[in-house]
Formats: sequence, C-alpha cells, structure tokens
Amino acid sequence: DIQMTQSPSTVSASVGDRVTITCRASQNIDTWLAWYQQKPGKAPKILIYKASGLQSGVPSRFSGGGSGTDFTLTISSLQPDDFATYYCQHYKTSSRTFGQGTKVEIK
Amino acid sequence: EVQLVESGGGLVQPGGSLRLSCAASGFTIGTYWMSWVRQAPGKGLEWVANIKPDGSEKNFVDSVKGRFTISRDNAKNSLSLQMDSLRPEDTGVYFCARDWPAQGCDYWGLGTLVTVSS
Repeated sequence: DIQMTQSPSTVSASVGDRVTITCRASQNIDTWLAWYQQKPGKAPKILIYKASGLQSGVPSRFSGGGSGTDFTLTISSLQPDDFATYYCQHYKTSSRTFGQGTKVEIK
Repeated sequence: EVQLVESGGGLVQPGGSLRLSCAASGFTIGTYWMSWVRQAPGKGLEWVANIKPDGSEKNFVDSVKGRFTISRDNAKNSLSLQMDSLRPEDTGVYFCARDWPAQGCDYWGLGTLVTVSS
C-alpha cells in the first residue's frame, strides 16, 4: 500500500504569513493527489485536486505543486479562516490513503 | 444542491454489528465512485472503503477487510456500510463522500458517530 507522510505535524503562523506544507508518497503517484482542509467538528473540504488543480470556489491564495513522490500545499498569505488541519490524499490506486494531517495554528 | 446525509451510527458493544447509510441528493450516485472515510476522536482521516459506480469493484483498508462490506443502491441513490465484528478501534465519525477517480472526494456528508464500547 502507498503511505503518505506529511510535514510538519503542526505549523504556528501569523495572519499574512506564507505557509508551506509538504506531503511525501512512499512510491510514485504521478499527480494523483488531493489536499483537504478540515475544521473542528466539520467535514473535510477539498482544496486542490490532481496536485495543482484549484477546486472551484477555493481562494487563489491556496496552491499545490509537485509530482511523483513530493508535493506541497502553499497558502500565500494566511487568513484568519485558514487556521485548520490540512490533509493530503493520494488516489493513484483504488485504495486511497491520507497523510496524518498538518495543523495550522495561530502563532 | 449536492447533499450527502449519513445515518445509522450509535453505541455498540465489541463484536457487534452496525449498518451505516448515506442518502445522496442533488446528483445521481450511479455515475460516481463513493467512499467511506472515518476519523477516530482527536485523530486524522482514514480512508475505509470505496465502491465503483456499478458496484463491480470494492476496496477496503486492511484493518476492516473481512469485517466491513460496502454496497450501493443506485435506484435509491444510497450507499451503505455494513460493519460486523466491531472493535473499539473502529470508534469514530464515519463520513461518506463522492469520489472522483481523477479529482478526489469533492462532496462529503456531515458524518455519523460510531462508538464501540462495553
């Protein structure tokens, strides 16, 4: 099975900061990767699909990159609404796997 | 408007069974893969299972293989997860999601809580 590893587990940042989260796959997944945002008590929300595709309605300050095994999610200028936990998920195979999550907290 | 509504969660003893349902509206599930994803209290997301549009392919995370069954009724626009031989580690919120093979899970329900405890 393909394993997904995110880093860091937690990032402390201020409004306006640029934040980058990394996701590494245990084997090549091409660009079959999505990023999700989840707030406490809520369902996840998709932000990015196919590594860099911005989901409709998602602010342009979110961007994704990478291919193969190494991927990034970048928030160009952190906003108050962005404090949440972020997950990557591969869909290279029919059996999907999530990363363990990265919590973006207020510094 | 696309909506997914899960039901069927509750408290069950270890070794017991529970059947979760997911009612879809605003789209026809018959053209989409559908997934179940769970989240243990205070923990991250875990993909549990998915099913092909025509039901011919089903996939499960290793920890539930042989215990959970996923099914769909395209005529009723609904998805189910039959959970048998439940363990305390199966406790969590279970979400159903619309699953695009090329895009990931673009719509999610609000989830239903399953608690396995004596």
